[in-house]
Amino acid sequence: GAGVSQSPSNKVTEKGKDVELRCDPISGHTALYWYRQSLGQGLEFLIYFQGNSAPDKSGLPSDRFSAERTGGSVSTLTIQRTQQEDSAVYLCASSYSGGAFQETQYFGPGTRLLVL
Amino acid sequence: KQEVTQIPAALSVPEGENLVLNCSFTDSAIYNLQWFRQDPGKGLTSLLLIQSSQREQTSGRLNASLDKSSGRSTLYIAASQPGDSATYLCATNSGYALNFGKGTSLLVTP
Repeated sequence: GAGVSQSPSNKVTEKGKDVELRCDPISGHTALYWYRQSLGQGLEFLIYFQGNSAPDKSGLPSDRFSAERTGGSVSTLTIQRTQQEDSAVYLCASSYSGGAFQETQYFGPGTRLLVL
Repeated sequence: KQEVTQIPAALSVPEGENLVLNCSFTDSAIYNLQWFRQDPGKGLTSLLLIQSSQREQTSGRLNASLDKSSGRSTLYIAASQPGDSATYLCATNSGYALNFGKGTSLLVTP
């Protein structure tokens, strides 16, 4: 079946602009995660959704970052007033339920964001 | 806070060699540990998931072991091939968020 998809695959923006990144999880997966992979920093957790609720937003680096999920499916990560340090690959993952903490997380191909 | 370390950061081997990638973590209170593969410009592909109650998992030429008490995991790749060239990441799961190491970049030369 179809995997996790993300769009756009690449995004170049100017400092100060807002951007929206989209994630389509695997059909039927109730848990959805956003991660960020910065050069030299490794992968860091941003936010977790169970259904449309986000029990943990502690990984969001600042209040310029927000995310929502609608219909228990598609999620959008929004970065307002982008800064150059926001340049990174943003990865989305999903898993079947997220409650058992024993499941494989399936990752999308990522969105490469470059802030000029 | 969980710290995950992978050694070596980079590795180059000739085709056919058996090799071991290492992963260590500071907090043994984990539910599971996963090994991923990342190809340049691509997302992550899950290779193996070891539950905290397990000692090892095998898939084809890959074998991963887990020693929770010592905070270590190893990924063994048998008879390496050029197609194995990629970055290998390990990640611990203590809840819902995965904690990743920075990866080992593997190059297998023909």
